[in-house]
Amino acid sequence: GDSVTQMEGPVTLSEEAFLTINCTYTATGYPSLFWYVQYPGEGLQLLLKATKADDKGSNKGFEATYRKETTSFHLEKGSVQVSDSAVYFCALRDQGAQKLVFGQGTRLTINP
Amino acid sequence: EAGVAQSPRYKIIEKRQSVAFWCNPISGHATLYWYQQILGQGPKLLIQFQNNGVVDDSQLPKDRFSAERLKGVDSTLKIQPAKLEDSAVYLCASSLPDSYGYTFGSGTRLTVV
Repeated sequence: GDSVTQMEGPVTLSEEAFLTINCTYTATGYPSLFWYVQYPGEGLQLLLKATKADDKGSNKGFEATYRKETTSFHLEKGSVQVSDSAVYFCALRDQGAQKLVFGQGTRLTINP
Repeated sequence: EAGVAQSPRYKIIEKRQSVAFWCNPISGHATLYWYQQILGQGPKLLIQFQNNGVVDDSQLPKDRFSAERLKGVDSTLKIQPAKLEDSAVYLCASSLPDSYGYTFGSGTRLTVV
């Protein structure tokens, strides 16, 4: 079945550091890929998405590129801020389906 | 626009007791989802409704979990009887059909002791 694997956390960085959170997936069809973020005490929020191979999703300085050849969708940000501290989830939605399949999440802490 | 409302925010019960969670989706969103998020894991779909009908309940433990969506709007998720392993955050989400735009509620954190 479909699955998503994220890099193990937690991840701790200093402010203005470069961020990469790895995500790889297994899917039977041609999925759409997503990054969701969960701030403390809040619900999951869509951060960015990509719906086909080579698409790049971007939002709030975060980027991720849909790489079909490596089945990956790594999240990157050039300069993180303390306010980026949250749990980040990679997810996929298979073709023709509406349900999301999530990775296990990566807790990110940014220190000033 | 108002978000997805869930209640209660927190619930502590003893094992073998029953519990119910409530969700009010965004107005006009025909599709409603319940996800279970166990600590340290990503959310897992329990059940998906399209209006009043069930689209996917393949991962719902039907011997103890039940859900309904009356009149295609509000939904309740019930657990009876609860087990220790049911301790989790229960997330409700809604979307328009065939939309990428899920909106999640803040969740109900259930602790079974």
